Amino acid sequence: EPEVTQTPSHQVTQMGQEVILRCVPISNHLYFYWYRQILGQKVEFLVSFYNNEISEKSEIFDDQFSVERPDGSNFTLKIRSTKLEDSAMYFCASSEAPGLARTDTQYFGPGTRLTVL
Amino acid sequence: AQTVTQSQPEMSVQEAETVTLSCTYDTSESDYYLFWYKQPPSRQMILVIRQEAYKQQNATENRFSVNFQKAAKSFSLKISDSQLGDAAMYFCAYREVEYGNKLVFGAGTILRVKS
Repeated sequence: EPEVTQTPSHQVTQMGQEVILRCVPISNHLYFYWYRQILGQKVEFLVSFYNNEISEKSEIFDDQFSVERPDGSNFTLKIRSTKLEDSAMYFCASSEAPGLARTDTQYFGPGTRLTVL
Repeated sequence: AQTVTQSQPEMSVQEAETVTLSCTYDTSESDYYLFWYKQPPSRQMILVIRQEAYKQQNATENRFSVNFQKAAKSFSLKISDSQLGDAAMYFCAYREVEYGNKLVFGAGTILRVKS
């Protein structure tokens, strides 16, 4: 069964450093998302991406964050200058179509645990 | 803004028994989707079941079923014949149909299964 993959599984970085989290969505999916989950808290939406542009972003997704689909398979989340509070689990998700399919469901990757020291 | 509330931080069930996890939500929309996701200790998010608001029939997936009460804005998950592998955090989530596709999650319910 096709699945969303994410690399790395765990990233440790120093405060102020840039990190890039990578995701490979399911191949026939068109809509991509990033969510984050701070330890012990709920999962929060960051950004959605469709047709090579951001469709929606949350208040969390400020100028320090950016997303990119550099080729036909990868979808990346970049944090330019990491803060301690960026430490969280970051989930990538993809879905087949933006509302065209009545059962449009988001499938999640295994997550990247980001630790900012 | 839409909100999702899970009022049970933690639940326990004996193996082979049935447990119900509660979820309520707030929305002014008439058409939307609701989901239950499972997050085991590995922290991967796994889709358990989904419900379309326009469908009156409650969704079922093997041992998992929902009780969808649209007027009450309630969406509970029933797990029958509970197994040790069901132990996980369960998240209820809401998604609009027309205006954006983000999922709005509840705070989660930890389910413990006793042998």
